[in-house]
Amino acid sequence: AQTVTQSQPEMSVQEAETVTLSCTYDTSESDYYLFWYKQPPSRQMILVIRQEAYKQQNATENRFSVNFQKAAKSFSLKISDSQLGDAAMYFCAYRSPKLNTGTASKLTFGTGTRLQVTL
Amino acid sequence: DSGVTQTPKHLITATGQRVTLRCSPRSGDLSVYWYQQSLDQGLQFLIHYYNGEERAKGNILERFSAQQFPDLHSELNLSSLELGDSALYFCASSRDRVNSPLHFGNGTRLTVT
Repeated sequence: AQTVTQSQPEMSVQEAETVTLSCTYDTSESDYYLFWYKQPPSRQMILVIRQEAYKQQNATENRFSVNFQKAAKSFSLKISDSQLGDAAMYFCAYRSPKLNTGTASKLTFGTGTRLQVTL
Repeated sequence: DSGVTQTPKHLITATGQRVTLRCSPRSGDLSVYWYQQSLDQGLQFLIHYYNGEERAKGNILERFSAQQFPDLHSELNLSSLELGDSALYFCASSRDRVNSPLHFGNGTRLTVT
Protein backbone atom coordinates (compact mmCIF):
# COMPACT_ATOMS: atom_id res chain seq x y z
CA ALA A 1 0.00 0.00 0.00
CA GLN A 2 1.13 3.48 -0.72
CA THR A 3 2.11 5.71 2.15
CA VAL A 4 2.84 9.41 2.27
CA THR A 5 5.06 10.91 4.94
CA GLN A 6 5.36 14.56 5.92
CA SER A 7 8.04 14.74 8.56
CA GLN A 8 7.60 18.41 9.44
CA PRO A 9 4.52 18.94 11.62
CA GLU A 10 5.13 22.69 11.69
CA MET A 11 7.18 25.20 9.74
CA SER A 12 7.58 28.94 10.00
CA VAL A 13 8.65 31.46 7.40
CA GLN A 14 8.98 35.21 7.32
CA GLU A 15 6.94 37.17 4.87
CA ALA A 16 8.67 37.49 1.48
CA GLU A 17 11.04 34.63 2.26
CA THR A 18 11.14 31.14 0.75
CA VAL A 19 10.18 27.94 2.50
CA THR A 20 10.31 24.29 1.47
CA LEU A 21 7.91 21.65 2.76
CA SER A 22 9.04 18.03 2.59
CA CYS A 23 7.12 14.99 1.46
CA THR A 24 8.23 11.43 0.84
CA TYR A 25 6.14 8.54 -0.34
CA ASP A 26 6.41 4.83 -0.72
CA THR A 27 5.14 3.01 -3.78
CA SER A 28 6.06 0.15 -6.06
CA GLU A 29 4.34 1.75 -9.03
CA SER A 30 6.13 3.59 -11.79
CA ASP A 31 3.30 5.84 -12.85
CA TYR A 32 1.31 7.94 -10.42
CA TYR A 33 0.23 11.46 -9.53
CA LEU A 34 1.35 13.66 -6.69
CA PHE A 35 -0.43 16.68 -5.30
CA TRP A 36 -0.08 19.41 -2.76
CA TYR A 37 -3.27 20.68 -1.15
CA LYS A 38 -3.60 23.71 1.09
CA GLN A 39 -6.09 23.87 3.96
CA PRO A 40 -6.41 27.38 5.43
CA PRO A 41 -8.24 28.05 8.70
CA SER A 42 -11.49 28.07 6.74
CA ARG A 43 -10.85 24.29 6.37
CA GLN A 44 -11.41 24.34 2.63
CA MET A 45 -9.12 21.98 0.68
CA ILE A 46 -7.45 23.87 -2.16
CA LEU A 47 -5.38 22.23 -4.87
CA VAL A 48 -2.01 23.97 -5.02
CA ILE A 49 -0.02 21.97 -7.54
CA ARG A 50 0.03 18.64 -9.34
CA GLN A 51 2.83 16.48 -10.74
CA GLU A 52 2.64 13.46 -13.03
CA ALA A 53 5.37 10.95 -12.28
CA TYR A 54 6.18 10.37 -15.94
CA LYS A 55 7.06 14.03 -16.39
CA GLN A 56 10.62 14.87 -15.45
CA GLN A 57 9.98 18.59 -15.44
CA ASN A 58 9.01 19.97 -12.06
CA ALA A 59 5.58 21.56 -11.91
CA THR A 60 5.27 25.27 -11.20
CA GLU A 61 2.26 27.43 -10.34
CA ASN A 62 3.18 31.06 -9.81
CA ARG A 63 5.02 31.24 -6.46
CA PHE A 64 4.65 27.51 -5.87
CA SER A 65 7.02 24.94 -7.32
CA VAL A 66 7.94 21.35 -6.58
CA ASN A 67 11.17 19.42 -6.48
CA PHE A 68 10.21 15.95 -7.68
CA GLN A 69 12.90 13.33 -7.16
CA LYS A 70 11.40 10.09 -8.44
CA ALA A 71 14.27 7.81 -7.50
CA ALA A 72 14.32 9.17 -3.98
CA LYS A 73 10.49 9.19 -3.84
CA SER A 74 10.57 12.76 -2.68
CA PHE A 75 8.14 15.55 -3.57
CA SER A 76 8.86 18.82 -1.82
CA LEU A 77 6.93 22.07 -2.18
CA LYS A 78 8.73 25.39 -2.41
CA ILE A 79 6.84 28.57 -1.68
CA SER A 80 8.62 31.71 -2.84
CA ASP A 81 7.92 35.26 -1.67
CA SER A 82 5.74 33.95 1.14
CA GLN A 83 2.61 35.90 1.94
CA LEU A 84 0.42 36.02 5.03
CA GLY A 85 -2.29 34.28 3.06
CA ASP A 86 -0.03 31.26 2.62
CA ALA A 87 -0.47 30.38 6.28
CA ALA A 88 -2.28 27.06 6.27
CA MET A 89 -2.00 23.33 6.66
CA TYR A 90 -0.35 21.77 3.63
CA PHE A 91 -1.04 18.18 2.66
CA CYS A 92 0.93 16.08 0.25
CA ALA A 93 -1.10 13.41 -1.55
CA TYR A 94 -0.51 10.43 -3.82
CA ARG A 95 -2.80 8.88 -6.39
CA SER A 96 -2.38 5.70 -8.39
CA PRO A 97 -3.66 5.57 -11.96
CA LYS A 98 -4.42 1.86 -11.85
CA LEU A 99 -8.10 1.40 -12.42
CA ASN A 100 -8.38 -2.33 -11.92
CA THR A 101 -7.23 -2.36 -8.32
CA GLY A 102 -9.52 0.36 -7.08
CA THR A 103 -6.56 2.25 -5.74
CA ALA A 104 -7.01 4.88 -8.42
CA SER A 105 -10.08 5.96 -6.59
CA LYS A 106 -8.42 7.53 -3.66
CA LEU A 107 -5.91 10.14 -2.74
CA THR A 108 -3.61 9.00 0.02
CA PHE A 109 -2.75 11.97 2.18
CA GLY A 110 0.15 12.71 4.46
CA THR A 111 -0.46 14.02 7.96
CA GLY A 112 0.17 17.60 6.94
CA THR A 113 2.56 20.45 7.71
CA ARG A 114 1.26 23.57 9.41
CA LEU A 115 2.89 26.64 7.91
CA GLN A 116 3.07 29.88 9.84
CA VAL A 117 3.96 33.11 8.10
CA THR A 118 5.40 35.87 10.27
CA LEU A 119 5.95 39.55 9.62
CA ASP B 1 -14.84 28.47 -5.23
CA SER B 2 -14.23 24.86 -6.26
CA GLY B 3 -17.72 24.39 -7.70
CA VAL B 4 -18.45 21.49 -5.36
CA THR B 5 -21.39 22.21 -3.06
CA GLN B 6 -21.88 20.50 0.28
CA THR B 7 -24.84 20.89 2.56
CA PRO B 8 -25.30 21.47 5.39
CA LYS B 9 -22.20 23.34 6.51
CA HIS B 10 -22.70 22.42 10.12
CA LEU B 11 -24.64 19.65 11.79
CA ILE B 12 -25.08 19.02 15.49
CA THR B 13 -26.83 15.87 16.58
CA ALA B 14 -27.00 13.37 19.39
CA THR B 15 -25.52 9.93 19.71
CA GLY B 16 -27.62 7.21 18.13
CA GLN B 17 -29.11 9.52 15.55
CA ARG B 18 -28.90 9.37 11.76
CA VAL B 19 -27.87 12.18 9.42
CA THR B 20 -27.53 12.69 5.69
CA LEU B 21 -24.82 14.80 4.10
CA ARG B 22 -25.33 16.04 0.57
CA CYS B 23 -22.87 16.82 -2.19
CA SER B 24 -23.32 18.34 -5.63
CA PRO B 25 -20.25 17.86 -7.84
CA ARG B 26 -18.84 20.38 -10.27
CA SER B 27 -20.69 20.59 -13.53
CA GLY B 28 -19.46 17.81 -15.81
CA ASP B 29 -17.70 15.83 -13.10
CA LEU B 30 -18.70 12.18 -12.98
CA SER B 31 -16.72 11.07 -9.94
CA VAL B 32 -17.64 11.83 -6.36
CA TYR B 33 -15.46 10.97 -3.37
CA TRP B 34 -16.15 11.18 0.33
CA TYR B 35 -13.44 11.83 2.92
CA GLN B 36 -13.44 12.14 6.68
CA GLN B 37 -11.13 14.48 8.57
CA SER B 38 -11.05 14.14 12.32
CA LEU B 39 -9.62 16.94 14.44
CA ASP B 40 -6.15 17.93 13.24
CA GLN B 41 -5.85 14.73 11.25
CA GLY B 42 -5.26 14.00 7.61
CA LEU B 43 -8.06 13.00 5.32
CA GLN B 44 -9.29 9.43 5.31
CA PHE B 45 -10.88 8.08 2.17
CA LEU B 46 -14.37 6.67 2.65
CA ILE B 47 -15.89 5.86 -0.72
CA HIS B 48 -15.84 6.69 -4.42
CA TYR B 49 -18.67 6.75 -6.95
CA TYR B 50 -18.33 7.12 -10.67
CA ASN B 51 -21.35 7.90 -12.81
CA GLY B 52 -23.70 6.34 -10.30
CA GLU B 53 -21.70 3.23 -9.51
CA GLU B 54 -19.64 2.51 -6.44
CA ARG B 55 -16.00 2.14 -7.47
CA ALA B 56 -14.03 1.79 -4.29
CA LYS B 57 -14.44 1.67 -0.57
CA GLY B 58 -11.95 2.84 1.97
CA ASN B 59 -12.22 2.98 5.72
CA ILE B 60 -15.97 3.34 5.75
CA LEU B 61 -17.86 1.95 8.71
CA GLU B 62 -20.83 -0.36 8.19
CA ARG B 63 -22.98 2.27 9.88
CA PHE B 64 -22.17 4.59 6.99
CA SER B 65 -23.53 4.32 3.49
CA ALA B 66 -23.54 6.44 0.39
CA GLN B 67 -25.05 6.67 -3.04
CA GLN B 68 -24.78 8.70 -6.19
CA PHE B 69 -27.98 9.61 -7.95
CA PRO B 70 -28.71 9.88 -11.70
CA ASP B 71 -28.18 13.65 -11.56
CA LEU B 72 -24.72 12.83 -10.09
CA HIS B 73 -25.27 14.37 -6.71
CA SER B 74 -24.30 12.16 -3.81
CA GLU B 75 -25.43 11.56 -0.27
CA LEU B 76 -23.52 10.13 2.66
CA ASN B 77 -25.70 8.59 5.33
CA LEU B 78 -24.33 8.19 8.84
CA SER B 79 -26.38 6.18 11.31
CA SER B 80 -26.18 5.12 14.95
CA LEU B 81 -23.88 8.03 15.45
CA GLU B 82 -21.15 7.90 18.06
CA LEU B 83 -19.07 10.67 19.63
CA GLY B 84 -16.10 9.53 17.56
CA ASP B 85 -17.95 10.25 14.34
CA SER B 86 -17.55 13.96 15.00
CA ALA B 87 -15.43 15.21 12.13
CA LEU B 88 -15.29 17.28 8.99
CA TYR B 89 -16.71 15.34 6.06
CA PHE B 90 -15.50 16.38 2.64
CA CYS B 91 -16.92 15.62 -0.72
CA ALA B 92 -14.70 15.94 -3.78
CA SER B 93 -15.38 15.55 -7.46
CA SER B 94 -13.32 14.97 -10.56
CA ARG B 95 -13.93 14.74 -14.29
CA ASP B 96 -13.00 11.10 -14.59
CA ARG B 97 -11.73 8.22 -12.49
CA VAL B 98 -8.00 8.63 -12.84
CA ASN B 99 -6.39 11.58 -14.50
CA SER B 100 -8.26 14.60 -13.26
CA PRO B 101 -7.43 16.23 -9.94
CA LEU B 102 -9.96 16.19 -7.13
CA HIS B 103 -11.74 19.40 -6.28
CA PHE B 104 -13.07 19.58 -2.76
CA GLY B 105 -16.19 21.12 -1.32
CA ASN B 106 -16.06 23.19 1.85
CA GLY B 107 -17.02 20.24 3.99
CA THR B 108 -19.75 19.49 6.50
CA ARG B 109 -18.75 19.78 10.11
CA LEU B 110 -20.55 17.11 12.11
CA THR B 111 -20.68 17.35 15.87
CA VAL B 112 -22.13 14.42 17.79
CA THR B 113 -23.02 15.21 21.40
